[in-house]
Amino acid sequence: GQNIDQPTEMTATEGAIVQINCTYQTSGFNGLFWYQQHAGEAPTFLSYNVLDGLEEKGRFSSFLSRSKGYSYLLLKELQMKDSASYLCAVMDSNYQLIWGAGTKLIIKP
Amino acid sequence: GAVVSQHPSWVICKSGTSVKIECRSLDFQATTMFWYRQFPKQSLMLMATSNEGSKATYEQGVEKDKFLINHASLTLSTLTVTSAHPEDSSFYICSAKEGSASELEQYFGPGTRLTVT
Repeated sequence: GQNIDQPTEMTATEGAIVQINCTYQTSGFNGLFWYQQHAGEAPTFLSYNVLDGLEEKGRFSSFLSRSKGYSYLLLKELQMKDSASYLCAVMDSNYQLIWGAGTKLIIKP
Repeated sequence: GAVVSQHPSWVICKSGTSVKIECRSLDFQATTMFWYRQFPKQSLMLMATSNEGSKATYEQGVEKDKFLINHASLTLSTLTVTSAHPEDSSFYICSAKEGSASELEQYFGPGTRLTVT
């Protein structure tokens, strides 16, 4: 079956760095997405990786290793507004998104 | 650009009644729309995929007679929850793609919070 694993919850301090990991097993691979979702709101797009390596976009970076079925989202210089759930999603061979359960990130002052 | 709206943003209905949720692409033509359901502290679960002018494709375990999906135009899809029950209370989110099924980016609506009493 298809499976995406990510930690349920993480806590970090304002101004620090946090890494959220995601491992996946899917039928086919057409890229991996990271989304941010604040409570009661729809997901918003953060990043897309289809090739191995690190993609940097401001304070957020995303890494992919296809051979290991592994990705991480790195958030630097954490701000209180970064408190949210972070969803890992893989696009399978049918171009359908398979979603992880999300990681709730709690930022403390 | 690429804005998707949903209406209503929240709705409370009585058990046994039906509720219609609209999803609109405001500035692009959505050839494919997706309906998701999300229970508290859980992931998004795809309910169905709809293409304009054709019948929706439902995911396993989703009752097509209970969750009626209509994608009548390139800018509008509707989800009707028929004979709603309290267990249908959830956060319903639509998303839309412009172009072919292999188009990577999906644009999400703001979601609709349904509470069935």
